[in-house]
Amino acid sequence: KNQVEQSPQSLIILEGKNCTLQCNYTVSPFSNLRWYKQDTGRGPVSLTIMTFSENTKSNGRYTATLDADTKQSSLHITASQLSDSASYICVVIVMDSNYQLIWGAGTKLIIKP
Amino acid sequence: DGGITQSPKYLFRKEGQNVTLSCEQNLNHDAMYWYRQDPGQGLRLIYYSQIVNDFQKGDIAEGYSVSREKKESFPLTVTSAQKNPTAFYLCASKDSQNSPLHFGNGTRLTVT
Repeated sequence: KNQVEQSPQSLIILEGKNCTLQCNYTVSPFSNLRWYKQDTGRGPVSLTIMTFSENTKSNGRYTATLDADTKQSSLHITASQLSDSASYICVVIVMDSNYQLIWGAGTKLIIKP
Repeated sequence: DGGITQSPKYLFRKEGQNVTLSCEQNLNHDAMYWYRQDPGQGLRLIYYSQIVNDFQKGDIAEGYSVSREKKESFPLTVTSAQKNPTAFYLCASKDSQNSPLHFGNGTRLTVT
């Protein structure tokens, strides 16, 4: 069964600290993986996309990694800011006729001053 | 600015009533989607439309209906047949298979 598991479920860190969010998937065949940021009460916004051949991709203070062998991805946030408080959602796209999306439940990140 | 507008932001209905959620986009995207978001769960696909006058059921279509009469508009009706309609509903669109989804800011529906 195609599944995406994210950990931790929630995380609280102090402003300025770094953190890493995890995404493990059992999706086949794999097309690509995206990370979305969702502010409370808003729609998700795409942060980055990882294709099968990519190991690392950065978007400002956000760095995503992908290990296609172990089927794991991580999102590292450097020098966190209060505006980073949000849910971070991992979604894996299946390489089928419909490019089905398999969504994780998200990690809720709270940055404290 | 291009984007997706969902209205209203909050909606309250009594059990047994149908309710329609609006979704309008000015991104000129062909494909549009409706998702439901519940606490602790991943987004679940209700319906999607890849072209005007055509739409397909997603994973949890029972109790919902849609129409796609115009490229810009993809309204979702939550019918009285939906057993547990209270949720956060998200509308999205995209312009090609490899593009990210563009989401509206959602409608929170509460049915009592």
